[in-house]
Amino acid sequence: GNSVTQMEGPVTLSEEAFLTINCTYTATGYPSLFWYVQYPGEGLQLLLKATKADDKGSNKGFEATYRKETTSFHLEKGSVQVSDSAVYFCALSDRQTGANNLFFGTGTRLTVIP
Amino acid sequence: DTEVTQTPKHLVMGMTNKKSLKCEQHMGHRAMYWYKQKAKKPPELMFVYSYEKLSINESVPSRFSPECPNSSLLNLHLHALQPEDSALYLCASSPETSGIEQYFGPGTRLTVT
Repeated sequence: GNSVTQMEGPVTLSEEAFLTINCTYTATGYPSLFWYVQYPGEGLQLLLKATKADDKGSNKGFEATYRKETTSFHLEKGSVQVSDSAVYFCALSDRQTGANNLFFGTGTRLTVIP
Repeated sequence: DTEVTQTPKHLVMGMTNKKSLKCEQHMGHRAMYWYKQKAKKPPELMFVYSYEKLSINESVPSRFSPECPNSSLLNLHLHALQPEDSALYLCASSPETSGIEQYFGPGTRLTVT
């Protein structure tokens, strides 16, 4: 089946620190992978995506590379800001199964302190 | 227009009330979704509409009744809810019915008293 495993939070970093949030997946077909971000009191925003192996998604200084050999899609940012404080969800969608589902990880809460 | 809108933003209702949540998108997307999100949890899929037809119902209790009047609108009718139904209800849409790249609205924060 399809599932996403995401590192447990919460994560607390100082401003300008390096961020890594680990995400690994299990999929029956050929998934597309996503990172969504949820700021306090808001809905989810698509942060970045990758649709095939070795693709790198990037947006707002965040990056993640689709690694088929390690079934991973780790989120990284070189220098976090206070405004990056949010909950980050890794997710997959498996086109081959024809499913409409997004399979979400449990979410990782990031707090960046000045 | 690249956003999904939801109304109301907040809703408080009693267990005997009937209310509706509304979702709208004008991106020409052909699939629309309802999710329920409890605190500190990921969203859980409730319903999927593809081309205005209900294609997935994730065993949701009948006190939740979805409706898709047209390709831009999605409603969720609520009746006889329980306090445990209190949650953030998120609407999403996607350009493809395979669910790739869903765009989410800001959600309706529902409290059942």
